[in-house]
Amino acid sequence: KNEVEQSPQNLTAQEGEFITINCSYSVGISALHWLQQHPGGGIVSLFMLSSGKKKHGRLIATINIQEKHSSLHITASHPRDSAVYICALSVGGTSYGKLTFGQGTILTVHP
Amino acid sequence: ETGVTQTPRHLVMGMTNKKSLKCEQHLGHNAMYWYKQSAKKPLELMFVYSLEERVENNSVPSRFSPECPNSSHLFLHLHTLQPEDSALYLCASSQGASGGRGQETQYFGPGTRLLVL
Repeated sequence: KNEVEQSPQNLTAQEGEFITINCSYSVGISALHWLQQHPGGGIVSLFMLSSGKKKHGRLIATINIQEKHSSLHITASHPRDSAVYICALSVGGTSYGKLTFGQGTILTVHP
Repeated sequence: ETGVTQTPRHLVMGMTNKKSLKCEQHLGHNAMYWYKQSAKKPLELMFVYSLEERVENNSVPSRFSPECPNSSHLFLHLHTLQPEDSALYLCASSQGASGGRGQETQYFGPGTRLLVL
């Protein structure tokens, strides 16, 4: 079993819909990251969470440390949100940011 | 624009060629990373350099040879690759001073898409 599991693997939505992507993990972490990868390949860090909730524009990320679960929500989705969303874990113990990655969720938003 | 650049963006090479991938970061970071992303697989960490010293080698075959001449530059030297090495190779950097908690945001380059024939 992978340390990080994302669901769903593929998600299709209509513009304007509320979207939720889930991430479950099985190890202790110091932080959880949500990343966005566009079709060209570049990856952008959206959030780094160690507790609670963070919001940036239409994106909201939450984490429940006790349940080892995080969600990424997109409100009022738009075709430009189409991308791969990746959950990644920082497990600590290093002075640098070693990450363990989920397999990603492919999101397609249709106009 | 993340402050991390990679060249070339695309590379086609034969199995007997030698080539190098270059990564440069303009963020003043102390840690740099090489990742491999194959189709339908999660990102795989290959190497980590912290303060120009290699601190992680994730069981990468010796046909991949990293080099970090200074804190701003990272290279991945390639020789006698196999077709299964075809993938997207991503470089990233981070501050590298998280005090042992590993809580750092990584900044990724655009990647080099490699095809080995």
